This record gives sequence, structure tokens and C-alpha cells, in this order.
Amino acid sequence: QKEVEQDPGPLSVPEGAIVSLNCTYSNSAFQYFMWYRQYSRKGPELLMYTYSSGNKEDGRFTAQVDKSSKYISLFIRDSQPSDSATYLCAMSARGNEKLTFGTGTRLTIIP
Amino acid sequence: GAGVSQSPSNKVTEKGKDVELRCDPISGHTALYWYRQSLGQGLEFLIYFQGNSAPDKSGLPSDRFSAERTGGSVSTLTIQRTQQEDSAVYLCASSPDAGGYTFGSGTRLTVV
Repeated sequence: QKEVEQDPGPLSVPEGAIVSLNCTYSNSAFQYFMWYRQYSRKGPELLMYTYSSGNKEDGRFTAQVDKSSKYISLFIRDSQPSDSATYLCAMSARGNEKLTFGTGTRLTIIP
Repeated sequence: GAGVSQSPSNKVTEKGKDVELRCDPISGHTALYWYRQSLGQGLEFLIYFQGNSAPDKSGLPSDRFSAERTGGSVSTLTIQRTQQEDSAVYLCASSPDAGGYTFGSGTRLTVV
């Protein structure tokens, strides 16, 4: 079993919809949680960075962490075609160490 | 520069040849990481440099892989006697003492 599980999709939703992306993990030591967005033939780009449980909002993006369930989510409101990309969750036990990544979810927003 | 720079962006090599991949991190970032991304796979950790500490090499898949970081800045990942299974995108990232990484655009390695 992988330490981090993420549904690879693909996921297609109409423009303007709310998108929900999720990851589960097994290592209870993880405390730092990140979401990255990766466009084709580009490196991953950090979207959200959170510590421990709770919510964090940044514009149209909201990250949620539920450590009791070992479950993290990324919500995208008012989705745009430019949001079409692969979304990767990542996590670590300490703030500045190697990250463990999910396999990524490929998202397409249909105009 | 403003971001993490990797070169070359693409590399095609023959099986059995050695290759060197270069990463120029963001100035002032103390940590530097190498990851590998294969089709349909997540990012696989390879090696981590933090300041002057001994690197964490726990992710290197075999002794054909090595990396160094000179002067706390530029890093080179070397793959000796390349095999077809080494074909992947090799991503470098750097970070300050805390916070998320900034990735480069990667080197796409194809072993034929």
C-alpha cells in the first residue's frame, strides 16, 4: 500500500463548477500538506501549503486537512479552463524535508 | 535567476552512456531536491541536500545514480550506464528553511 493515495482521474467538469480533489494517507507523522498544480511539460507549481488540521483559503482555492481521518482535500470554486492540469498532493512530517507525493489527478475544465 | 533552472530540457541518450543533469536553484535557498517522474507515476524522491549537512541519498535507485552540490548552489545528477528504465522526467526543486518547494521545469531523459 502506498503512503499517499490519490485517484488519478481523469476528472472532467464544466466551467464554473466546484471541483473537489482528495488524497488519503497512512503515515500519522505527516503534519505538512501541500497541493501542487502541474501543467503539461512543466514542473509542479505550489498552490497551497498548510500545517496540521484545518482549512486554508486562497482566492478560489480552499485546502482542508483532517488528520483524524488522514484525509486532505482541495476545492476549486468557479473553475476555469485554465485550471485544467494535473493536481498533486504532497506531505511531510517536518517542514523542510523530502515530500511524499500522490500520483496526481488529471483535471479538465470543459468550457 | 527568478526560478529554478534545469538543463538540458531534453536529453536523448543511448543505453549504456553516462548522462549529467544540471540544476541551478533559487539564490539563497538552502535545500535542494531531486525527484523523478515517470509516466503515470507520482514524483519519486531521489536525493536531498540541506546546507552543509550530509545529503539524504535514501531515494537513489541504484549505485549508477549519484549527485553533488557544489558551493551550496548548483547541483549535478549523474546517471552512469543508463538503462531504458531510467527514462523519465528528472525534476529539481529548492526551498528556503521552511515552506514549499519551487520546482524547475525538469529534464526529460529518453534512453534508446
